[in-house]
Amino acid sequence: DIQMTQSPASLSASLGETVTIECRASEDIYNGLAWYQQKPGKSPQLLIYNANSLHTGVPSRFSGSGSGTQYSLKINSLQSEDVASYFCQQYYNYPYTFGAGTKLELK
Amino acid sequence: QVQLKESGPGLVQPSETLSLTCTVSGFSLTSYSVSWVRQPSGKGPEWMGRMWYDGDTAYNSALKSRLSISRDTSKNQVFLKMNSLQTDDTGTYYCTRDTFGDWFAYWGQGTLVTVSS
Repeated sequence: DIQMTQSPASLSASLGETVTIECRASEDIYNGLAWYQQKPGKSPQLLIYNANSLHTGVPSRFSGSGSGTQYSLKINSLQSEDVASYFCQQYYNYPYTFGAGTKLELK
Repeated sequence: QVQLKESGPGLVQPSETLSLTCTVSGFSLTSYSVSWVRQPSGKGPEWMGRMWYDGDTAYNSALKSRLSISRDTSKNQVFLKMNSLQTDDTGTYYCTRDTFGDWFAYWGQGTLVTVSS
């Protein structure tokens, strides 16, 4: 199985700051990567697919990049509504696997 | 609009079988595939398996011996059955739908399953 290692596990940032979350795959996943946002008590919501494509309706302050085994999610100009947990998911190979998550809080 | 809704028992006894139903609307099960994803509290999600639009299935190898996914297209429902439940099977179970790729753009609200005696 492909292991997805996310970092950091938790992150504290100020409003307006730029935040970056990393995800490393145990092997090349050829951009088969999605990012999700999950607020407490809610279902995950798709942000990014194919490593860098913004899902419909997602604010443009979210962006994804990377290739091979290294990927990142960047949030520009952090807003209060961005407080949530973020997960990466690879869908290059079965079984699809997720990262353990990054919990983003406001400083 | 696309909707998915999970239903099933909230409490299951250890060693018993879990049965969940995902009822969908706004799309056809013969056009899109539906996956089951579960998430222990405070942890990352785990993909369990998938019902393809053509009726084929795919399973997480870690669960394959205990898991079965089926569907009833006339009722717009996808079913999950998993046997020999243990306490570490406790968590929220979601059904999800793909779009034009294997990422999950649509999620149900989830149903909490607790395995306890």
